[in-house]
Amino acid sequence: EVQLVESGGGLVQPGGSLRLSCAASGFTFSDHYMDWVRQAPGKGLEWVGRIRNKANSYTTEYAASVKGRFTISRDDLKKSLYLQMNSLKTEDTAVYYCVRGTNPPFAYWGQGTLVTVSS
Amino acid sequence: DIQMTQSPSSLSASVGDRVTITCRASQGISNSLAWFQQKPGKAPKSLIYAASSLQDGVPSKFSGSGSGTDFTLTISSLQPEDFATYYCQQYKNYPFTFGPGTKVDIK
Repeated sequence: EVQLVESGGGLVQPGGSLRLSCAASGFTFSDHYMDWVRQAPGKGLEWVGRIRNKANSYTTEYAASVKGRFTISRDDLKKSLYLQMNSLKTEDTAVYYCVRGTNPPFAYWGQGTLVTVSS
Repeated sequence: DIQMTQSPSSLSASVGDRVTITCRASQGISNSLAWFQQKPGKAPKSLIYAASSLQDGVPSKFSGSGSGTDFTLTISSLQPEDFATYYCQQYKNYPFTFGPGTKVDIK
């Protein structure tokens, strides 16, 4: 069974940093592209970014709203995905979801972790 | 960026109704479109990918169609567990973008 479990959310002050993790199981993690998607309270879904697999040089893509502040990385040996968030803004407050991006696209989602940016 | 629109933004329907939701892309995306169902407090659930392919385990009452810029999600016979918000998403070009959602509630 495919499982994605996020952790690391919490309360952080504006300008602060936070690192989210996603532990994957039930599939060959190293084969797949992985994505982060977020949802602000009461709002719709927003794609945050993607990291490709080793065969595609672990290259990344980001939404304009987070580019330069957020960094996606992965550790295939630990079957883990990460989201390093720096220079956080109040508008980054959201539930962050880890998503398996490929084969088939966006089929599997974690339960989400809440990040609250507030003073 | 590709803009995704959905119509209607909300609808009220009865159990047993046939429901159709429309999604439109601001430029052609071939069939690189997915549909998701989300219930309050829960993660989105994938229903359809590649515009018309059903994800494993999704009941056949859900169907998708379309290509290019215009797409539809149809629920053939609405059941109580189908009351939720539905989102479309394009994954043709970066940044991937979602529609604003269609809330389906009970009439």
